[in-house]
Amino acid sequence: QKEVEQDPGPLSVPEGAIVSLNCTYSNSAFQYFMWYRQYSRKGPELLMYTYSSGNKEDGRFTAQVDKSSKYISLFIRDSQPSDSATYLCAMIVGAAGNKLTFGGGTRVLVKP
Amino acid sequence: EADIYQTPRYLVIGTGKKITLECSQTMGHDKMYWYQQDPGMELHLIHYSYGVNSTEKGDLSSESTVSRIRTEHFPLTLESARPSHTSQYLCASSEFQTDTQYFGPGTRLTVL
Repeated sequence: QKEVEQDPGPLSVPEGAIVSLNCTYSNSAFQYFMWYRQYSRKGPELLMYTYSSGNKEDGRFTAQVDKSSKYISLFIRDSQPSDSATYLCAMIVGAAGNKLTFGGGTRVLVKP
Repeated sequence: EADIYQTPRYLVIGTGKKITLECSQTMGHDKMYWYQQDPGMELHLIHYSYGVNSTEKGDLSSESTVSRIRTEHFPLTLESARPSHTSQYLCASSEFQTDTQYFGPGTRLTVL
């Protein structure tokens, strides 16, 4: 079983809809959580970085962490065709000296 | 915006050739990474470094080698390229404290 599970999709939504993405993890020692966006044939781009449980908002993006359930989510409001990409969650145990563990990514398609 | 660069962006080469993929970052990050990613597939960590003269193998076995002589530079070398090495290679770097990784644009390698 993988440490981080993420539905590969594709997730297809109409423009303007809310996109809901999530990851589950098994290692309760993970403390830092990130979401990356990757366009086709490009490198991943950091979207959100969170540490504590709860919500963090940045523009149209909201990241949610529930450490008790080992579950993280990313919500994209008012989705645009330019949001069509693969979204990867990533997490790490502590800070110095550890490696990031990535989910497999969810492909999102926003249709105009 | 991340200041991490990879060259070349695209490379088509014949079997048996020696190649070096370049990665440079201007953020002064101690930690650097190389990932391999096939189209639509997961990221696989193949090498990482925690600083000058430090290199470690990642989770995925790779025939490539790396060196870290300068903080800002982390080249990856394939002594004898084979078609099985065809993939996208992504370089990343992170601060030692946060481990938030910033990715370069990637090198798409095709070995004929």
